[in-house]
Amino acid sequence: GENVEQHPSTLSVQEGDSAVIKCTYSDSASNYFPWYKQELGKGPQLIIDIRSNVGEKKDQRIAVTLNKTAKHFSLHITETQPEDSAVYFCAASPPGGTGFQKLVFGTGTRLLVSP
Amino acid sequence: DGGITQSPKYLFRKEGQNVTLSCEQNLNHDAMYWYRQDPGQGLRLIYYSQIVNDFQKGDIAEGYSVSREKKESFPLTVTSAQKNPTAFYLCASSRGREKLFFGSGTQLSVL
Repeated sequence: GENVEQHPSTLSVQEGDSAVIKCTYSDSASNYFPWYKQELGKGPQLIIDIRSNVGEKKDQRIAVTLNKTAKHFSLHITETQPEDSAVYFCAASPPGGTGFQKLVFGTGTRLLVSP
Repeated sequence: DGGITQSPKYLFRKEGQNVTLSCEQNLNHDAMYWYRQDPGQGLRLIYYSQIVNDFQKGDIAEGYSVSREKKESFPLTVTSAQKNPTAFYLCASSRGREKLFFGSGTQLSVL
């Protein structure tokens, strides 16, 4: 089955710097890659997602890039702010099924943005 | 205001006791899911349901049970057979393979 590795496990940056979180996946058939932000004691919130027919997607300060050949995808946050501090999860979903029962999550990256 | 509501936010279980976690959604999603989250680990799928009156085991179903009698509701029971129940439990829903949305979670602890 699919396996997702996420790095780094913790990331500390200064406010205004950029942050990059990387994930690799094992199943070359995976075609959907969401990113979630989870604040302490809350459920994960979908912040951006990408499907395998595109290589990059942007939403204001957040962008995701996908390299299908190398089987890795990355989250880029520019001009970081203290409110960006949270745990970020990547995930990958192979095709098959009518829902997300095959979605596999990475182990998370704790991002700390210092003022 | 559409969303997924989980209750209670905190729950304590005594040894040998079954407890039930509630999950309700008003997004009109057909599919619903239960995940378990342990510190330092990714989310692991316990059970999922794609339609009413049907559900399937996920990766870690042992010691858990679910029901899906209504489209809006997908309660999870943590049975006494689950020997390590302390975790953060997350309910989610989706419309097919569009996007997966999560509730706010229930923290279950053992007394």
